[in-house]
Amino acid sequence: NAGVMQNPRHLVRRRGQEARLRCSPMKGHSHVYWYRQLPEEGLKFMVYLQKENIIDESGMPKERFSAEFPKEGPSILRIQQVVRGDSAAYFCASSPTAATYNEQFFGPGTRLTVL
Amino acid sequence: TQLLEQSPQFLSIQEGENLTVYCNSSSVFSSLQWYRQEPGEGPVLLVTVVTGGEVKKLKRLTFQFGDARKDSSLHITAAQPGDTGLYLCAGIGSSNTGKLIFGQGTTLQVKP
Repeated sequence: NAGVMQNPRHLVRRRGQEARLRCSPMKGHSHVYWYRQLPEEGLKFMVYLQKENIIDESGMPKERFSAEFPKEGPSILRIQQVVRGDSAAYFCASSPTAATYNEQFFGPGTRLTVL
Repeated sequence: TQLLEQSPQFLSIQEGENLTVYCNSSSVFSSLQWYRQEPGEGPVLLVTVVTGGEVKKLKRLTFQFGDARKDSSLHITAAQPGDTGLYLCAGIGSSNTGKLIFGQGTTLQVKP
């Protein structure tokens, strides 16, 4: 049973370019969470999605960032016009439900470097 | 805003020593989870504690949830170099959407 998959594992972009990060949840999981880990900091929640719906985007920056989880295919976190401050590790997690005691399983992350 | 404070942030000990990591908040959490993260990898879930006062053991690791469900601790007995890593506590936020609120993490180094 494959775990959460993320690609690419490493992504280098120049300032002003777009970054697309992909996440395939575990089989049977329909809930996806994105987190960002800045250097020397803990993980910060960004967005929570179910298939075709954004449930909670309270952690998403207001501009340049968007996320989707289409009916078919992986979840995508999109960052437009990247800036150096976007350099971080981005993690996706999935769970079978959003129950209070849900356990989230994390992918290996995408490390974004903005030059 | 719900926050989780972890301490210590860094810990360097010799193999065989015991240690405790603390995770504290002024807020009540319905559950707390402990993760371990290796460099270049994602967090791996170690345990979930749900009931106030609950104690769970995972080999040499003992996890405790405070009676008031505002704090938790991780105790490692006879630490080994393989225990080296980043330990993170996380609680389910009050929004009830399942999003996790993470502590800053404790970087543990166990020297042989």
